[in-house]
Amino acid sequence: NAGVTQTPKFQVLKTGQSMTLQCAQDMNHEYMSWYRQDPGMGLRLIHYSVGAGITDQGEVPNGYNVSRSTTEDFPLRLLSAAPSQTSVYFCASSLTGVNEKLFFGSGTQLSVL
Amino acid sequence: SQQGEEDPQALSIQEGENATMNCSYKTSINNLQWYRQNSGRGLVHLILIRSNEREKHSGRLRVTLDTSKKSSSLLITASRAADTASYFCAARGSARQLTFGSGTQLTVLP
Repeated sequence: NAGVTQTPKFQVLKTGQSMTLQCAQDMNHEYMSWYRQDPGMGLRLIHYSVGAGITDQGEVPNGYNVSRSTTEDFPLRLLSAAPSQTSVYFCASSLTGVNEKLFFGSGTQLSVL
Repeated sequence: SQQGEEDPQALSIQEGENATMNCSYKTSINNLQWYRQNSGRGLVHLILIRSNEREKHSGRLRVTLDTSKKSSSLLITASRAADTASYFCAARGSARQLTFGSGTQLTVLP
């Protein structure tokens, strides 16, 4: 099993550019979420989904959009990248809930210049 | 605001010793989880303890929860070099969101 797959692993953007971080899971998990990890701050929840067609905001949603058209995929879109969005982004999925036993992808290191 | 806060921020021990990390949280919780993160990798779930549980074991891991003190501890017994990683606690409060602490960096010296 591949588990949770994130692409790309590294990305450099210029301020104002847009891009989509991809996340796919093959475990048939209903629950998926996006986190960002900044030095010394732990992980912060950006958006989450409890099933196809259902998404909701987390702690730091501004500047990001998500959609969930299938159970497998949960892409994260940066609408107009800003230097404050430089971070490591993790996608996670769960069988039992967005706050229960999360399976994480390997992350995307994003730099916004 | 961070629900979980780990202590210490960094811990260095010799192989074979026990490692203890602590986590404090602010509000009442439904469950508390511990995750491990190796350098440059995603987080890996270690153990989940619910608010009505006081202690849980998994292999060399022992987690305790004291809801009266709003704290949890993770004990790793007989540490190995492969245990070198960052360890995070994550607490689920009344909201759906899981809130992570900033982590303890554990270094196990061979």
